[in-house]
Amino acid sequence: DADVTQTPRNRITKTGKRIMLECSQTKGHDRMYWYRQDPGLGLRLIYYSFDVKDINKGEISDGYSVSRQAQAKFSLSLESAIPNQTALYFCATTDGRTDTQYFGPGTRLTVL
Amino acid sequence: GQNIDQPTEMTATEGAIVQINCTYQTSGFNGLFWYQQHAGEAPTFLSYNVLDGLEEKGRFSSFLSRSKGYSYLLLKELQMKDSASYLCAVNTGFQKLVFGTGTRLLVSP
Repeated sequence: DADVTQTPRNRITKTGKRIMLECSQTKGHDRMYWYRQDPGLGLRLIYYSFDVKDINKGEISDGYSVSRQAQAKFSLSLESAIPNQTALYFCATTDGRTDTQYFGPGTRLTVL
Repeated sequence: GQNIDQPTEMTATEGAIVQINCTYQTSGFNGLFWYQQHAGEAPTFLSYNVLDGLEEKGRFSSFLSRSKGYSYLLLKELQMKDSASYLCAVNTGFQKLVFGTGTRLLVSP
């Protein structure tokens, strides 16, 4: 299984603050993803990256930006956080041989 | 558009068998995943069906019919630890997954 880590695991912030969520993986997978999960809405794709030079918007990218600093690192930023960005955020990587996505432990973000 | 439907909640008894259905209408289809997710935790991979038919893995089996846009996850010999949400997700291409809202399964003694 991919070893996917996320920091921080929990964060409480205020409206208007800039927040960065970080994701690292140690399995050498090229493809990385950011999702958010809200009760009753399921997981929704924010951004995805197929390699360091390739960044793509997902279903709900407004209000978010990403940076792929290296193959192993993919960061999600909220430039000016708002309360409706309160959610559980997951990073994932894909094993290109099997198409299987492996998820990090999640970051619970609360915007007051 | 993308539409994936699964029941919101199901209940079952320990030792029983339960079938969780998933129907989908998506703009692309490269396969269908089932994930298990305990509350507040990461989704964990259960199965991936690309071709029609049944795939069995221990107590869990997954079925796919591409012509009907239908899949199910079958859980046998239910245990208390199987209480969790089960997520159906379609690979619409390039490993972009579209998820259903999940089915919460409650297993009682």
